[in-house]
Amino acid sequence: RKEVEQDPGPFNVPEGATVAFNCTYSNSASQSFFWYRQDCRKEPKLLMSVYSSGNEDGRFTAQLNRASQYISLLIRDSKLSDSATYLCVVNVRGSARQLTFGSGTQLTVLP
Amino acid sequence: NAGVTQTPKFRILKIGQSMTLQCAQDMNHNYMYWYRQDPGMGLKLIYYSVGAGITDKGEVPNGYNVSRSTTEDFPLRLELAAPSQTSVYFCASSYDSGGAKTQYFGPGTRLLVL
Repeated sequence: RKEVEQDPGPFNVPEGATVAFNCTYSNSASQSFFWYRQDCRKEPKLLMSVYSSGNEDGRFTAQLNRASQYISLLIRDSKLSDSATYLCVVNVRGSARQLTFGSGTQLTVLP
Repeated sequence: NAGVTQTPKFRILKIGQSMTLQCAQDMNHNYMYWYRQDPGMGLKLIYYSVGAGITDKGEVPNGYNVSRSTTEDFPLRLELAAPSQTSVYFCASSYDSGGAKTQYFGPGTRLLVL
């Protein structure tokens, strides 16, 4: 079983739609959680951290369910510029290797 | 503040050739990492370093070597290039905050081995 699993997509949605991505992680010692965004042929960039109580950043909402070892990202009012691959990332407590990346979910927002 | 820089941006190698991928950061980060990303796949950790003089293997270290003589630089060496090493290589760094370990990535080096 992969340490971090994501639905690879692709998700093709119209502008203005709401879209949700899910991610599960296998290591219960996971401590910190993130969503990264990767544009085509570019490096990954941090989109947002994910906190236990859930958090929002503009049109983006992240949720964490530690009991189910599940993370989600909700994008409201999708823009063309949201088209990218979204990477689910976890940090295992005490791990010097730092972050484990999921394979990513590809999103295309259509005009 | 340039962040994380990588050179070259693109390189073609013949089988058996060697090369060094350069990575530098100017954020005074302790932790540095090398990843490879194959098409349609996630990032796989090759090597990482928790400080100058200290390096350790990641998931896929075979065929690579690293060194960390300074805080700023973390070069990745390919000794005998193989077609399986065709990939995009990303260097990253992070600050050891003791908490969330946000990583900052360089723009990547695209390597083609023929």
